[in-house]
Amino acid sequence: TQLLEQSPQFLSIQEGENLTVYCNSSSVFSSLQWYRQEPGEGPVLLVTVVTGGEVKKLKRLTFQFGDARKDSSLHITAAQPGDTGLYLCAGAITFGGYQKVTFGTGTKLQVIP
Amino acid sequence: DSGVTQTPKHLITATGQRVTLRCSPRSGDLSVYWYQQSLDQGLQFLIQYYNGEERAKGNILERFSAQQFPDLHSELNLSSLELGDSALYFCASRLGASDTDTQYFGPGTRLTVL
Repeated sequence: TQLLEQSPQFLSIQEGENLTVYCNSSSVFSSLQWYRQEPGEGPVLLVTVVTGGEVKKLKRLTFQFGDARKDSSLHITAAQPGDTGLYLCAGAITFGGYQKVTFGTGTKLQVIP
Repeated sequence: DSGVTQTPKHLITATGQRVTLRCSPRSGDLSVYWYQQSLDQGLQFLIQYYNGEERAKGNILERFSAQQFPDLHSELNLSSLELGDSALYFCASRLGASDTDTQYFGPGTRLTVL
């Protein structure tokens, strides 16, 4: 069983601060996704990273996939109240058309105005 | 709106009962995934179907079963329900099984077992 540990579990910061969320595993993944989920709704995909060492930027969000494809980080610059939500990383292993997805433990972010 | 629909939105039932959750994927998507999300376990992958066939299994209990029909909609059947089965159940669909295919989540079904 692949386990994905996220840290921190909970983060409360002031608007304008920067933050980094980490997603770590001992397993190698074919790809890794980051999602944001709001209460009562399904997770919404933010980004997919596939190549070891890959860095992707989405406005104020920067995503990095570890060189060994076992870990990832999400960095938010100048956080805004609209960034509040549950951030989930998910590692996927794809083999012969089959795909198994493991979700991380989640990081609950609260950005205070 | 992700284009994935799930019914019902809420379900309240008693222990020992059986329920069926339904999911309609986005138009054209062949893969359907089922997940369970509870407060203490996080989001757990249950099972994946691709074009009617089971493709991958996660932490799905033997009391649970699923299928994908020829029109690609899917149903998750939960039987002999226990209090611990109370959770949000999400369905997600994606075009295929490629790493670059985006997975779109439905709004979920909240199951409460009393």
